[in-house]
Amino acid sequence: GQNIDQPTEMTATEGAIVQINCTYQTSGFNGLFWYQQHAGEAPTFLSYNVLDGLEEKGRFSSFLSRSKGYSYLLLKELQMKDSASYLCAVMDSNYQLIWGAGTKLIIKP
Amino acid sequence: ETGVTQTPRHLVMGMTNKKSLKCEQHLGHNAMYWYKQSAKKPLELMFVYSLEERVENNSVPSRFSPECPNSSHLFLHLHTLQPEDSALYLCASSQDQTGTAGPETQYFGPGTRLLVL
Repeated sequence: GQNIDQPTEMTATEGAIVQINCTYQTSGFNGLFWYQQHAGEAPTFLSYNVLDGLEEKGRFSSFLSRSKGYSYLLLKELQMKDSASYLCAVMDSNYQLIWGAGTKLIIKP
Repeated sequence: ETGVTQTPRHLVMGMTNKKSLKCEQHLGHNAMYWYKQSAKKPLELMFVYSLEERVENNSVPSRFSPECPNSSHLFLHLHTLQPEDSALYLCASSQDQTGTAGPETQYFGPGTRLLVL
């Protein structure tokens, strides 16, 4: 079967760095997406990786290793507004998005 | 108004009621999606429409009935729901149906929080 695993919840301190991991087992691979979802709001697109390596976008970076079926989202200089759920999703060989259950990130002052 | 909008934002209904959820996208996209999001569970794809034609139905119960009158509007008609259908229902859109031109980023609306009593 197809499976996306990510931690249920993480806690970090304002100003610090946090890494949210995602591992996947899917039928084929056509890229990996990260979305941010604040409570009661729409998921918003953060990043897309299809090749191995690190993609940096301001305070957020996303890494992919296709051979290991692994990705992480790195958030630097954490701010209180970064408190949200972070969703990992993989596009399989049928171009269908397979979603993880999300990681709830709690930022403490 | 920009992006993807959904109404109502909150809905409480009894098991014998009939209601409809509405989604509208202002992005000029050709594909629209309905997802169900339950607490601590992955998003579940319910329906996909491309150019107003339904292309996917992931074995969703018939008490959920989608309608796509044009590429900007999507409805989800609800009738005789069960308490386990209580969830956040998200609408999304993308430029094209994912796969026709490679991976497409999906853009989401804020969702309708549904409670079935």
